[in-house]
Amino acid sequence: GAVVSQHPSRVICKSGTSVKIECRSLDFQATTMFWYRQFPKKSLMLMATSNEGSKATYEQGVEKDKFLINHASLTLSTLTVTSAHPEDSSFYICSADPGQGDEKLFFGSGTQLSVL
Amino acid sequence: GNSVTQMEGPVTLSEEAFLTINCTYTATGYPSLFWYVQYPGEGLQLLLKATKADDKGSNKGFEATYRKETTSFHLEKGSVQVSDSAVYFCALRRTGNQFYFGTGTSLTVIP
Repeated sequence: GAVVSQHPSRVICKSGTSVKIECRSLDFQATTMFWYRQFPKKSLMLMATSNEGSKATYEQGVEKDKFLINHASLTLSTLTVTSAHPEDSSFYICSADPGQGDEKLFFGSGTQLSVL
Repeated sequence: GNSVTQMEGPVTLSEEAFLTINCTYTATGYPSLFWYVQYPGEGLQLLLKATKADDKGSNKGFEATYRKETTSFHLEKGSVQVSDSAVYFCALRRTGNQFYFGTGTSLTVIP
């Protein structure tokens, strides 16, 4: 079946540094990818929708200058958390839409970010 | 607005026990409803879905019925196995392939 690879699975960084998370669709092309975030004991929340070759659309309350999304190819989207702070510590997960309709989506395994 | 509320875990059951994970939703209109499952180290996978009221989604022995009158979509399985240990997410479709998810419920099945 279709696979989405997300790296890294876990990252610990110092406050003020930037962290890049990659999301790759391994055996299909994805014109649209989604980034979600989950704080402890909270819902998995949509952060942004990323379309290949265009700017991402961010959900209300998500800072686009802090969470940089680049969807430069049909198989790769990256999320960069810039100048990370402890409150950015969260579980981040991506999903990729192969454009098959019928609400088919494929998810990465997630990235646990801890900012010290 | 739209939201999904699901029961908090973690849930621990013995093998062959009956499972229920509650999920209720708030939505405008009648969205499609989903259950996703995340096995350790893997991405979320679609488990089942229902697209309209009274529809029953089913897969791998799991079932959930779209109840409009109670705005619920509870997940059930009659006899769980160790291999069912995972995190289960209830979700409703917003638009396109954007979803509202619940908090996830961790299930551990012990032999």
